[in-house]
This record gives sequence, structure tokens and C-alpha cells, in this order.
Amino acid sequence: GESVGLHLPTLSVQEGDNSIINCAYSNSASDYFIWYKQESGKGPQFIIDIRSNMDKRQGQRVTVLLNKTVKHLSLQIAATQPGDSAVYFCADLTQTNYGNNRLAFGKGNQVVVIP
Amino acid sequence: DAGITQSPRHKVTETGTPVTLRCHQTENHRYMYWYRQDPGHGLRLIHYSYGVKDTDKGEVSDGYSVSRSKTEDFLLTLESATSSQTSVYFCAIKGESYEQYFGPGTRLTVT
Repeated sequence: GESVGLHLPTLSVQEGDNSIINCAYSNSASDYFIWYKQESGKGPQFIIDIRSNMDKRQGQRVTVLLNKTVKHLSLQIAATQPGDSAVYFCADLTQTNYGNNRLAFGKGNQVVVIP
Repeated sequence: DAGITQSPRHKVTETGTPVTLRCHQTENHRYMYWYRQDPGHGLRLIHYSYGVKDTDKGEVSDGYSVSRSKTEDFLLTLESATSSQTSVYFCAIKGESYEQYFGPGTRLTVT
């Protein structure tokens, strides 16, 4: 697969434990955030999104927490499974100089699930 | 998988040759995007399209051009490939909100 996971922060998690992946963003005006999962050799896969008028949103086995005060986003994965091994990255909506909206992507965190 | 396909999936080409990558979607989405993904960088936007014949530049557009002559196809062209354009290229479409859905990617190697 592609080597985009090289040199990324790595989180090793025991199967069955909960995982917490963190992301800091810089644009205080961002009002929309997304988490993606990318498995080796595949395209990024949408997991969950959250708007800035919320501080928590839950999906299937995942929870996203947003702390606008410190510009921090986290993704919690419950009961981590081997299939959760991947690179996870966040994205926030930013506005360009031309007034268009654009997603700005983080570099990602590698999650390795230990059976 | 949002009905997005990319072709070719892998390509090796020589410096100075033209290369065209194709993105095809089956769900009539208005917005389409081309990104490149490199180690040490997040996904970076090359060009995007907001309708047939309507395109605009992203943050790393130098050396790339795009065309969208019909809703379902968005083409990315490297007029004269350079080694710095060795990368994995992803196409994406915009969903109902601001989320984007990605294709499987094209790995391009310029020798």
C-alpha cells in the first residue's frame, strides 16, 4: 500500500480497549469538522462530522468531541477492533481568500490494534 | 464508495511526458475535487470543479490543469510531468453538507 503512514504519530491499542485520537486545528473561525479513516492502499473514508454548535456527536462505536476554546478535536473509538487499524485524520472547513469554503486536512495519526 | 472510480490506478511515466488521470462518478454530484497525498503532508487540493466547465485552482495547482466537459467526469492533466509530481492522487465529490467522499486513488510515479 501507499507509504503515507510513514513518520506519523502512532497509537498502539489493545484489541477491545477504547482509542482516543486527537487533532488540533488552527482556524478559530472553522465551524465544521470531519474525521476520516484511511486504510493502507485505499482512499480516505468518511467517519463522522460535527458542527461548531455542538461539542459532542456519536456514531456507531465512535464519538467526536469538540473543544472550541482550545481548538481541539478528538475521536473516540469504543472496543477497538483489528479492522480499526488505519490512519485517522481530521479536516476543518476553512474559507479561502476568494470566499469559497475548503477543507483543510491534518497529517493524521496511525492507529495500530494489537490482537 | 460513493460511486467514484479513478483510472488508471497505477502509472509510471517519464519526466516531460503528459499524463491524464480520470475521475468518474455515477451519482450526479456537482462538486468534484482533485487532491494529492504525500508523506508528511495532509491532503492538498490541486483543483476543483463546481459544475460542467466550471473549475478553480486549489493550493497546489502549478503544473496541473483540469477539465470537466460532463458532470460525471473530471480529468486531471499533468502537461509535462516532473519527479515532484510523483504522488498518490485522489478524486473526491462533495456530499450533502461539506463532507467529501473519496475515490480509491491513483499512484503516479514519474521517473
